[in-house]
Amino acid sequence: NAGVTQTPKFQVLKTGQSMTLQCAQDMNHEYMSWYRQDPGMGLRLIHYSVGAGITDQGEVPNGYNVSRSTTEDFPLRLLSAAPSQTSVYFCASSYSRFYANTGELFFGEGSRLTVL
Amino acid sequence: AQSVAQPEDQVNVAEGNPLTVKCTYSVSGNPYLFWYVQYPNRGLQFLLKYITGDNLVKGSYGFEAEFNKSQTSFHLKKPSALVSDSALYFCAVRDVPNDYKLSFGAGTTVTVRA
Repeated sequence: NAGVTQTPKFQVLKTGQSMTLQCAQDMNHEYMSWYRQDPGMGLRLIHYSVGAGITDQGEVPNGYNVSRSTTEDFPLRLLSAAPSQTSVYFCASSYSRFYANTGELFFGEGSRLTVL
Repeated sequence: AQSVAQPEDQVNVAEGNPLTVKCTYSVSGNPYLFWYVQYPNRGLQFLLKYITGDNLVKGSYGFEAEFNKSQTSFHLKKPSALVSDSALYFCAVRDVPNDYKLSFGAGTTVTVRA
């Protein structure tokens, strides 16, 4: 079982460049989300989706875009990368919006992004 | 606003000894509380949760946590730690009206020495 797959695992960007972090899940999960993990700050929610065609902002959405055209995929786009976006990014999914509310999330292995 | 604090950056214990990882929270309503574990270079894994009911909840890998409303705490415990329990542990809280947003603590690194 693949679970939640994130690509790439590592990426180095220059300030101002754009890129897309890919996230795919093969569990037919309704809910998908993106978090960033920074030292000493835990994880913070960037964007989330409760189904295909539905997205919403989380805690720290500025500088990021998302779309959910299929149930399986939830890409995260950095529009113009800044050094403050250097972080580890995690995609997480859940069976349904209910299970997302009760905290049972499945996480990918993370994408480490460095912006120079 | 909801928040969660993990007062210890690191916890070191000997294998076979009890392990406790502390967590306190602040919410305006009734909390949903969670523990996750992260092994090196991996994503987070769900350990256990408190939604309602018994204050002592049991989870994966022999872990348990006790919800204490008066002390606003949700400490993670394991009676006998293993070297393989060495990892980064996160406490998280959700304030019931605040849909989908889990607030995570900064994390506690647990090292179990043989």
